[in-house]
Amino acid sequence: DAGVTQSPTHLIKTRGQHVTLRCSPISGHKSVSWYQQVLGQGPQFIFQYYEKEERGRGNFPDRFSARQFPNYSSELNVNALLLGDSALYLCASSSGQYSQPQHFGDGTRLSIL
Amino acid sequence: QQQVKQSPQSLIVQKGGISIINCAYENTAFDYFPWYQQFPGKGPALLIAIRPDVSEKKEGRFTISFNKSAKQFSLHIMDSQPGDSATYFCAAHGQGAQKLVFGQGTRLTINP
Repeated sequence: DAGVTQSPTHLIKTRGQHVTLRCSPISGHKSVSWYQQVLGQGPQFIFQYYEKEERGRGNFPDRFSARQFPNYSSELNVNALLLGDSALYLCASSSGQYSQPQHFGDGTRLSIL
Repeated sequence: QQQVKQSPQSLIVQKGGISIINCAYENTAFDYFPWYQQFPGKGPALLIAIRPDVSEKKEGRFTISFNKSAKQFSLHIMDSQPGDSATYFCAAHGQGAQKLVFGQGTRLTINP
């Protein structure tokens, strides 16, 4: 079975631009969470979506938004990109709203020039 | 109270030795404690996890020891192998929320 898949693998943007990252959860998983991992640090929680609704939000500005589709895939959108947004963006899926464990994809490496 | 503190930041162990990584937390509402292994260019992969109603869990060469009163837990890797060289993250999960709170990571190097 396929694991969590994310696209694109790498992305280079300039300051002020907008970016959309995509995630497909493990088949049968209905919960998707997004994390930001800055180089040399642990992942930081951004959002959780379950049944197409936002169920949790971390300490990130409103420039960050997300949505979940009927097939449980998800998009993370970041507007007005800043240099500090350069990071690995990870998607994790789990079977239910509060269930563990969470399984991570290999992420999208976003570089802001 | 949402922090998880992990140590050491880096660790070098000889092949065949025991690798030990420690984590501490403050929030007593945490109810699930996973360890993740991450290789360069890859996402974190779940290694082993424990809930606070048990003091130890073993899976192959990997063991979690959990001390609820001290609010500490640790990962032991027995018979460490060069293929275990990676960054390890402890994490904690609170009731009623899907958010995982991660430690800062430990870069483990196993010398052959």
